[in-house]
Amino acid sequence: DVVMTQSPLSLPVTLGQPASISCRSSQSLVHRDGNTYLNWIQLRPGHSPRRLIFKVSKRDSGVPDRFSGSGSGTDFTLKISRVEAEDVGVYYCMQGTHWPPYTFGQGTKLEIK
Amino acid sequence: QLQLVESGGGLVKPGGSRRLSCAASGFTFSDYYMNWFRQAPGKGLEWVSYISIGGATVHYADSVRGRFTISRDDARNSLYLQMNSLRAEDTAVYYCVLAAANYWGQGTLVSVSS
Repeated sequence: DVVMTQSPLSLPVTLGQPASISCRSSQSLVHRDGNTYLNWIQLRPGHSPRRLIFKVSKRDSGVPDRFSGSGSGTDFTLKISRVEAEDVGVYYCMQGTHWPPYTFGQGTKLEIK
Repeated sequence: QLQLVESGGGLVKPGGSRRLSCAASGFTFSDYYMNWFRQAPGKGLEWVSYISIGGATVHYADSVRGRFTISRDDARNSLYLQMNSLRAEDTAVYYCVLAAANYWGQGTLVSVSS
């Protein structure tokens, strides 16, 4: 199974400041079809989980443009350009290239300083 | 508006069974593969099971294979997860998920305890 490793696991951020989460996979996530199936999932208190980013850098409908994804191969990053109070929650990277099983990182807990 | 509404969670004794349901609306259910994921208390997200369009192909996590059965009824726009021989470690919020995490339901809590 592909092991996904996130860092940091805890991320205190001042409102209005940027935030960055790293995700590394144990093997390349480039699929034989040429796509890289790397998602970012957001879990906020009182809300259903929500996919923010798919295929490394594509934002889902309705996701604010302060969220961006980047990376390739085995190294990926989720960036929030200016953190807002509603961004508090836990963020997971998830790979869908080498499945089953789909696998997740450990999660990064974002909180406001 | 796309909706996935899970039901069927509750308190179950170890060794017991439970059937989860997921009612889908707002999209053409029969056109999509579906998944169940879960999150145990204080733990991260975990994939549980997959079912293909039409239901001919299914996959399970090693932790549930042989105990859980995924199924779908396209006429009823519904997804199911039959859970047998439940263990304490199956305690989790179970999520019905469209395709590969495109959209998630609100989840239903299954607690396995004596």
